[in-house]
Amino acid sequence: NAGVTQTPKFQVLKTGQSMTLQCAQDMNHNSMYWYRQDPGMGLRLIYYSASEGTTDKGEVPNGYNVSRLNKREFSLRLESAAPSQTSVYFCASTQLRENTGELFFGEGSRLTVL
Amino acid sequence: GENVEQHPSTLSVQEGDSAVIKCTYSDSASNYFPWYKQELGKRPQLIIDIRSNVGEKKDQRIAVTLNKTAKHFSLHITETQPEDSAVYFCAARGTSYGKLTFGQGTILTVHP
Repeated sequence: NAGVTQTPKFQVLKTGQSMTLQCAQDMNHNSMYWYRQDPGMGLRLIYYSASEGTTDKGEVPNGYNVSRLNKREFSLRLESAAPSQTSVYFCASTQLRENTGELFFGEGSRLTVL
Repeated sequence: GENVEQHPSTLSVQEGDSAVIKCTYSDSASNYFPWYKQELGKRPQLIIDIRSNVGEKKDQRIAVTLNKTAKHFSLHITETQPEDSAVYFCAARGTSYGKLTFGQGTILTVHP
């Protein structure tokens, strides 16, 4: 039982390049999330998908797009990377019940944009 | 949308002392308040959570209290140990179904 799996774990991009972060969960959770973590700023929500077929913006969606490919997979795309997007990205999932539910995080993806 | 403020940003205690971390939230309809612990280089993990219909919850050395009127909640760690050293995050889930907003985090250091 792998839980939440993110790929890649490390990536270096040049300004303007594009890339997709992949996330998959094997816990049959209905909700999935993408957060970014920067020093002193906590975990900031980029996008989330409360259920298969829906996606919503979080606090910092600009410069990102997401796709809930199916119940298991939720990808995050950077169309034209900028240095401000250098960060650690975490994918998470939960089984929402009455708007509660423990988030299970992936190991994180460290992205550097030069 | 929901806004969560967390204080202090850093906290240093001696082993055996208690530690308290406080959070305030803005959405009066928020109904779920979890706390996560993140050790260096690791992923965040849930340590305790509380729902809005409960005022206090304990689990061994950790407890969380909630004051809905004042819109704040706190994490209490008693008899701290060096392995409690980590970053702690509070969070709140409000009226936007599924959306979980985190505070800025508190770096807790427990000195032996």
